[in-house]
Amino acid sequence: NAGVTQTPKFRILKIGQSMTLQCAQDMNHNYMYWYRQDPGMGLKLIYYSVGAGITDKGEVPNGYNVSRSTTEDFPLRLELAAPSQTSVYFCASSSPQNTEAFFGQGTRLTVV
Amino acid sequence: AQSVTQLDSQVPVFEEAPVELRCNYSSSVSVYLFWYVQYPNQGLQLLLKYLSGSTLVKGINGFEAEFNKSQTSFHLRKPSVHISDTAEYFCAVTPDTGRRALTFGSGTRLQVQP
Repeated sequence: NAGVTQTPKFRILKIGQSMTLQCAQDMNHNYMYWYRQDPGMGLKLIYYSVGAGITDKGEVPNGYNVSRSTTEDFPLRLELAAPSQTSVYFCASSSPQNTEAFFGQGTRLTVV
Repeated sequence: AQSVTQLDSQVPVFEEAPVELRCNYSSSVSVYLFWYVQYPNQGLQLLLKYLSGSTLVKGINGFEAEFNKSQTSFHLRKPSVHISDTAEYFCAVTPDTGRRALTFGSGTRLQVQP
């Protein structure tokens, strides 16, 4: 069972570059989320989606964009990367019936 | 809005000793509560959850947690830890209706020493 798959696992970006973090789930979950994890700060919600075509901002959305064209995929776009976006990014999914969120393995991003 | 406070950033403990990781939360609505574990360079894995009913919930790997509504706490316990329990532990909450995004605490690093 694949669960939640994130690509890439690691990436180094230069300041001002852009990139897309990919996230796919095969559990037919309606809800999907993007979090960032900074040392000693726990996980902060960036964006979330309750279904295809529906997205909304979380706590820390500035500098990011998302789209949800299918149930399976929820890519996170970074425009004009900044050092403050150096972090580990986690994608997660859940269903309305099952309260448990399933997490991907994370993407470690460094902006230099 | 919800908030979660994990009172200890690091907890060192010797192997086979008991451990308690503390978690307090704040919310204006009813919530579900969770503990997740993160092993080095991995994603988060659910340890246990409280939705309703019995306030003592048991999870994987011998962990248990007790929900205390009056003290708004959800402390995690294990009677005897192993080296393999060394990891980061996160307490999280989500409203029991509406948006289900988790709000996390800052994490507690459990370091089990031989």
